[in-house]
Amino acid sequence: EDKVVQSPLSLVVHEGDTVTLNCSYEVTNFRSLLWYKQEKKAPTFLFMLTSSGIEKKSGRLSSILDKKELSSILNITATQTGDSAIYLCARWGGGADGLTFGKGTHLIIQP
Amino acid sequence: NAGVTQTPKFQVLKTGQSMTLQCAQDMNHNSMYWYRQDPGMGLRLIYYSASEGTTDKGEVPNGYNVSRLNKREFSLRLESAAPSQTSVYFCASNRGGMTGTYEQYFGPGTRLTVT
Repeated sequence: EDKVVQSPLSLVVHEGDTVTLNCSYEVTNFRSLLWYKQEKKAPTFLFMLTSSGIEKKSGRLSSILDKKELSSILNITATQTGDSAIYLCARWGGGADGLTFGKGTHLIIQP
Repeated sequence: NAGVTQTPKFQVLKTGQSMTLQCAQDMNHNSMYWYRQDPGMGLRLIYYSASEGTTDKGEVPNGYNVSRLNKREFSLRLESAAPSQTSVYFCASNRGGMTGTYEQYFGPGTRLTVT
């Protein structure tokens, strides 16, 4: 059973649209949830969420954690073609064994 | 700071050949990780090293070995490559420990093809 489930797995929208990406996670030993953006190369860090209900924001991107629903969303407003990427969600269980990643959402922004 | 560096960037191997992927970080991080990424599968942990001198298996360790050579370097070895090991390999590091951010920093990746 997957510990991190992302939806949708792929999404195509037009420039200017707002998108919401979803991530649900297994609660066992949960400490934090992280979002990464992956373009052609290495994933780059976006947000780390530990507390429920506190929104983290960076420009047009924002994210929030809901510990009751065991989920997180990543919002992107006024999308641009440069937002096209794979968005990865990962959970940290508090151990030294690193992050458990979801399969990612492949987002395509059409001009 | 170079961050996390990996060599080589690309490699093609024949089935049965061996090779070592190199990774180094200059951020004085304690923990280092090797992941593989296959289409539609996200990143899966192969091995990790919580601190210098320790290594442990991750989710998909079969067919691989690792060496934490010192605090900076963590290598991944394929002893007898198989086509199922065709993938993109990422090395990552982070500060480690139970306090502070758990952000992992990733290297640029090695694209490995086994024919």
